[in-house]
Amino acid sequence: GEDVEQSLFLSVREGDSSVINCTYTDSSSTYLYWYKQEPGAGLQLLTYIFSNMDMKQDQRLTVLLNKKDKHLSLRIADTQTGDSAIYFCAERIGYSTLTFGKGTMLLVSP
Amino acid sequence: EAQVTQNPRYLITVTGKKLTVTCSQNMNHEYMSWYRQDPGLGLRQIYYSMNVEVTDKGDVPEGYKVSRKEKRNFPLILESPSPNQTSLYFCASSSGTGVSGYTFGSGTRLTVV
Repeated sequence: GEDVEQSLFLSVREGDSSVINCTYTDSSSTYLYWYKQEPGAGLQLLTYIFSNMDMKQDQRLTVLLNKKDKHLSLRIADTQTGDSAIYFCAERIGYSTLTFGKGTMLLVSP
Repeated sequence: EAQVTQNPRYLITVTGKKLTVTCSQNMNHEYMSWYRQDPGLGLRQIYYSMNVEVTDKGDVPEGYKVSRKEKRNFPLILESPSPNQTSLYFCASSSGTGVSGYTFGSGTRLTVV
């Protein structure tokens, strides 16, 4: 499958902004997604962006897409301890396949 | 409530003893998929299905079987489990249309001893 790369770990202080980065390789991706996994739980869809968009904002979440560089980022404003989790970016190719990155563990300290 | 239900949540078994992990969705989704999650490797797709009786291999299909006899169900079968199949397994479903990503089940933690 195609590669989706993410940094493995990010640590921030409560109230700061967090930025999680992702790069993907398949230029035919139609949608790109961010999922959140809390300890012991499944994956929860956080947000998505269509491949012809540059930015999407949803409350505290901002997704930026640089299609030329195949770079996706998720910014969480005013990060809270409840945001501590593993965050996965994923690209959708066609109708049936999501390719995931290895996940970024976000640790938010008080 | 729209959901993907996997059973069991936890399973410990011995090498070679056939097992089935069940998955059911109530959203009338066309697409269903199985992933395994391992530390440092993220999620890797095992098999997926585009409709009843239509399945295809993902990135890591060896040692697994699936079937899709009904739209709502997509069981994962390990005919002869081995310790390297110890992992966290997720079933997911999607309508495949528009923006839809996958909706995930809560996971099955399998240990093969």
